[in-house]
Amino acid sequence: DQQVKQNSPSLSVQEGRISILNCDYTNSMFDYFLWYKKYPAEGPTFLISISSIKDKNEDGRFTVFLNKSAKHLSLHIVPSQPGDSAVYFCAASVSRGSNYKLTFGKGTLLTVNP
Amino acid sequence: ETGVTQTPRHLVMGMTNKKSLKCEQHLGHNAMYWYKQSAKKPLELMFVYNFKEQTENNSVPSRFSPECPNSSHLFLHLHTLQPEDSALYLCASSQGLVRQDTQYFGPGTRLTVL
Repeated sequence: DQQVKQNSPSLSVQEGRISILNCDYTNSMFDYFLWYKKYPAEGPTFLISISSIKDKNEDGRFTVFLNKSAKHLSLHIVPSQPGDSAVYFCAASVSRGSNYKLTFGKGTLLTVNP
Repeated sequence: ETGVTQTPRHLVMGMTNKKSLKCEQHLGHNAMYWYKQSAKKPLELMFVYNFKEQTENNSVPSRFSPECPNSSHLFLHLHTLQPEDSALYLCASSQGLVRQDTQYFGPGTRLTVL
């Protein structure tokens, strides 16, 4: 049973437009969320995170929105650039116990077309 | 070398072989992780070490045997694997085991079991 779901395996957008990547979770105990980006032949790299006490966190062109009632988070990239083309993973953790344990989604392949 | 390195990058082995995956981190971190990513599945945590001590074994079969001789090196010894063990094996490290400690990933070893 997947606790973190990324229902869109792929997304294609034009350069300069907004990219919106979505993630849903089922475990209401999750209270910390992260996005990782992965290029081919490289390991995932941390992009941005958000704690459940917030509903938005922004870092440059990247903004993560959290809707706790809907158990949904999204990553917005504005403006999208060709270099953003990668697989994006959503991950979540709980604050109690082994809080370093990340539960990942399957990822969404983003393609930004020039 | 910088970051987290993994060798070999690709490995093909038979079910009766014994091989080892190596991970080295150059970040001065204290925690190291092994993850497995099978086709069409999310990243799954396998093992966690903190200050050379194993703190997590996520119900991994005994044919996978981790070793952490020091905080900079992590090995995964493989023996009598099954074809379903074919996957991308990723190593990661973090400063500690607090969830805000970002996990830095290596590029992975692509393992094929024949």
